[in-house]
Amino acid sequence: EAGVAQSPRYKIIEKRQSVAFWCNPISGHATLYWYQQILGQGPKLLIQFQNNGVVDDSQLPKDRFSAERLKGVDSTLKIQPAKLEDSAVYLCASSLDGWKFFGPGTRLTVL
Amino acid sequence: DQQVKQNSPSLSVQEGRISILNCDYTNSMFDYFLWYKKYPAEGPTFLISISSIKDKNEDGRFTVFLNKSAKHLSLHIVPSQPGDSAVYFCAARETSGSRLTFGEGTQLTVNP
Repeated sequence: EAGVAQSPRYKIIEKRQSVAFWCNPISGHATLYWYQQILGQGPKLLIQFQNNGVVDDSQLPKDRFSAERLKGVDSTLKIQPAKLEDSAVYLCASSLDGWKFFGPGTRLTVL
Repeated sequence: DQQVKQNSPSLSVQEGRISILNCDYTNSMFDYFLWYKKYPAEGPTFLISISSIKDKNEDGRFTVFLNKSAKHLSLHIVPSQPGDSAVYFCAARETSGSRLTFGEGTQLTVNP
């Protein structure tokens, strides 16, 4: 069974630029999550989708972050414009029966 | 407001000895606790979990203990192996939802 796929694996941008991350969950997993993991901290939930609907986006900085999951499969997370403090690993996870499977993450560096 | 805390950023043990990783929480609504293991450049992978109705769960070399009154849980690895070297995250979930709250992680190094 293929795992959660994410791309790119690494991204370096300058502050005020825009960036987008892509996630392909495990086939059949209805729930998809985006987490932000800042160095030295644990992952923090940004947004949770159930199929293509948003279940929880209470911790998403909506002035600059957006996410979508059109068709209830793949998802993209966008940051526009990026700030220095957005440097982190962005983890995508999917689940079917509550068991979460994480992707390898995208490491973002904002200079 | 850090509801799940892992106070030890790092732990080093000798191969064959016991590794004990600790986690404290403040939210009394948490009723399910999980440990994840993370290797560099990989996402966290589920290791072991425990429900609040239990005080111990064992899976091979891994045992998780829960002390509800102290709001404390610990992960024991016996015997420790070099391949166990990774960052271990404690996570907790409230009764009502599926959102996980993670601790900061503890880097375990098992020396041969």
